[in-house]
Amino acid sequence: DAKTTQPPSMDCAEGRAANLPCNHSTISGNEYVYWYRQIHSQGPQYIIHGLKNNETNEMASLIITEDRKSSTLILPHATLRDTAVYYCIVRGFGNEKLTFGTGTRLTIIP
Amino acid sequence: DTAVSQTPKYLVTQMGNDKSIKCEQNLGHDTMYWYKQDSKKFLKIMFSYNNKELIINETVPNRFSPKSPDKAHLNLHINSLELGDSAVYFCASSPGTGAPDTQYFGPGTRLTVL
Repeated sequence: DAKTTQPPSMDCAEGRAANLPCNHSTISGNEYVYWYRQIHSQGPQYIIHGLKNNETNEMASLIITEDRKSSTLILPHATLRDTAVYYCIVRGFGNEKLTFGTGTRLTIIP
Repeated sequence: DTAVSQTPKYLVTQMGNDKSIKCEQNLGHDTMYWYKQDSKKFLKIMFSYNNKELIINETVPNRFSPKSPDKAHLNLHINSLELGDSAVYFCASSPGTGAPDTQYFGPGTRLTVL
């Protein structure tokens, strides 16, 4: 699976959009981009995933660049409960395991 | 209605003991996993079972033995516990459709070996 690069930490004001970047320049054509988060040592929580097109669900939006070498997770209206470590994971078709990196520690500031 | 549950939540034990952690999922999923998160917060997969069959076995000491009595349960037995086994262990499950699918994690079991 392709490796990912994320900033170690970010701050965002409460109520603003949080934009979390991820670089995955070695991604191959059949690899998906997944986002998970872990809130204070709880179990990781699935957020969203995508292959080529931008995706949106009730939690977030995922913007994938046209060359697929990077993506951005957007939390549209961040709340204090969104403070967590966010993991960007690239995962190939048929690959059952998630390979977690160090993620981005997002802190939402009141 | 907990989707993926683990017991116990906390486990404190002495070096050399044998202990088990239980995991159950009520999502009807075919695939279950065990992950380990160490003190540096790195989260790594240990095992994966699909319909009671082992499909992933990462480089894990053979003191760790997963057991899947049915596809809703995946237990982790650890023999001769060592200090380095102290970690948080997470169980997860997924539909196991063969395509990259979403994994749902349990709340974790914090194991402390003294």
